[in-house]
Order: sequence, then structure tokens, then C-alpha cells
Amino acid sequence: NAGVTQTPKFRVLKTGQSMTLLCAQDMNHEYMYWYRQDPGMGLRLIHYSVGEGTTAKGEVPDGYNVSRLKKQNFLLGLESAAPSQTSVYFCASSYSSGVGTGKNIQYFGAGTRLSVL
Amino acid sequence: GQNIDQPTEMTATEGAIVQINCTYQTSGFNGLFWYQQHAGEAPTFLSYNVLDGLEEKGRFSSFLSRSKGYSYLLLKELQMKDSASYLCAVRDGTTSGTYKYIFGTGTRLKVLA
Repeated sequence: NAGVTQTPKFRVLKTGQSMTLLCAQDMNHEYMYWYRQDPGMGLRLIHYSVGEGTTAKGEVPDGYNVSRLKKQNFLLGLESAAPSQTSVYFCASSYSSGVGTGKNIQYFGAGTRLSVL
Repeated sequence: GQNIDQPTEMTATEGAIVQINCTYQTSGFNGLFWYQQHAGEAPTFLSYNVLDGLEEKGRFSSFLSRSKGYSYLLLKELQMKDSASYLCAVRDGTTSGTYKYIFGTGTRLKVLA
């Protein structure tokens, strides 16, 4: 049972280049999330999805797009990378139900360290 | 607005007890979570409170007071491996945001021998 898998683990981009980060989960979770983590800022929500075919904006969505064509995968795209997008990106997933039962725990991937030069 | 406050850094000695506080102001509330994050790694779940009171799990305990918007994580019998960042997070309980988690900036704990 792999849990949440993110690829790639590291990437260096030049300003203006594009890339896609892939997140895959094998726990049959309905909800999936993309966060970025910067020093002194904590985890900030970029986009999230409450089910296959649905996506929604989080706290810091500008410059990113997402897609959830399959329940187990959540893709994060950078169309034209900027130095301000240098960060560590974490994907997470959780069940949708079970509020109050603890079933809405988020499980995180190992992260993608992205540098934009 | 949405705000979660926790101390930036704490230091404690191996074998001691440390309490990490978290205060929150959110538009809704549907549970408070504590995560542990070692440097360069992913956050991992530690504890969950949705009702007032203390939840105990081995060396770790977490307390919640919803009326005060306050929680703490208590770590007993500290070990060197407990050196990590501890993240406080609130699950939004508003109708439009039931799916969202708001994270604090984390408390970096250093355990000294």
C-alpha cells in the first residue's frame, strides 16, 4: 500500500517553462489537495478536488491549474513558471465523510522540491 | 478572517515534557489536527480533536477548548527523534469550506541531550 505518491521529487525550471506535477493515491479517497510550503508561511492550499472531474481554488491558486480526470490522480500544472513559485509542493488526500470520527485525516505525499531560476 | 497562531520555536531537554500551544480564529470549525513534520519530509498525522477535552495517545496528548479557540499538544518523555516541526491545523466547518484545512506556520521543536 503506497499511500500518496508524488512525482517528480525534485525539479529545476527556467522562468517561463511549464511542467506538471503528478499525485497518485491508492486509498480510494474522495478528496485531494495541493499545497505549497514556504519558510515562515506554513502550508497554503493551492487547489483542491472533492471528487473525480471536480476542482476548486484554494488560498493561492494564481499561476497554477489542476485536473482530476481519475479519482486516484490529481495533477498540478504550472503554465509559465516564475521564481515566486520556487517552493516545496505537497499533495494530500482524505476521505470525504466521517466528520467527527477522525476519518477525515489528511495523508501527505513526500513532496516535490521545485526551483525556478 | 482565518488565523492560526503557534510559537515559532521551542527547545526542551531529552526526557522532559513540553507543551505546544495553538490558538485559532476561523469562520467555522470541524476538527483540529496536529501533524509532525521532520525536516525534508512530509507531515504525518499525530492527533485529532473535535470535542472539548483531552485525547491521549501514548507519549502524545492533545487538548481542545472550542469556546477559547485553543489547543495544545503535550509531548512526554521527550526523545531526540521528537525534534521536528509540529503543525496545528483546523478543518473549516462552513458550508462552503467543509473540505478545507487551515494550517499554522508550525512550531520547530529542538530536543537537546
